[in-house]
Amino acid sequence: GAVVSQHPSWVICKSGTSVKIECRSLDFQATTMFWYRQFPKQSLMLMATSNEGSKATYEQGVEKDKFLINHASLTLSTLTVTSAHPEDSSFYICSGGSSLAAQETQYFGPGTRLLVL
Amino acid sequence: AQKITQTQPGMFVQEKEAVTLDCTYDTSDPSYGLFWYKQPSSGEMIFLIYQGSYDQQNATEGRYSLNFQKARKSANLVISASQLGDSAMYFCAMREGRQGGKLIFGQGTELSVKP
Repeated sequence: GAVVSQHPSWVICKSGTSVKIECRSLDFQATTMFWYRQFPKQSLMLMATSNEGSKATYEQGVEKDKFLINHASLTLSTLTVTSAHPEDSSFYICSGGSSLAAQETQYFGPGTRLLVL
Repeated sequence: AQKITQTQPGMFVQEKEAVTLDCTYDTSDPSYGLFWYKQPSSGEMIFLIYQGSYDQQNATEGRYSLNFQKARKSANLVISASQLGDSAMYFCAMREGRQGGKLIFGQGTELSVKP
């Protein structure tokens, strides 16, 4: 199946700093990628839809100025958590779909665990 | 309104037995897709199986099968011959509208396989 990578897999930062998370589709082109957040023992919650070459679409309740998304190419989307606070500590995971797949599938990256101290 | 509902927070199954994980959904869109993912403790989301709303037959992938009952709006996952490695969280998800759209996830079911 298609591969999606995320970097970094783990990040610990001080409160007030910004953290950038990269999501790459390694063997397919993704015009759209999705960013999810998952708190412990909870489900995945969609944060935003990242569109190549245009602005991201944010879900209700997600601060667009805090969670900056850039989708500069068909293989790379980045999520920047600006001025991170302890409540932003979570598991962030991206996904993308391949239009070339015979069967519809959304492939997820391995996720990034963020801990804000 | 909850669009994807998984009513079993936790399930136990004996090794080598079959288990059914429940999932119900709600949508007015005639075109949708239903997914099941497995999430082990490492956190990665592993795609298991997909069912399109227009698919006539139930999807199957190895030991996984999806019991799709459109009128009841249910899409239960059946795992046959459970293995210890099947212990994980399982999420049902739905995509409304066009292919490649965003997924909405259920609350998840934690499956524990007993030796």
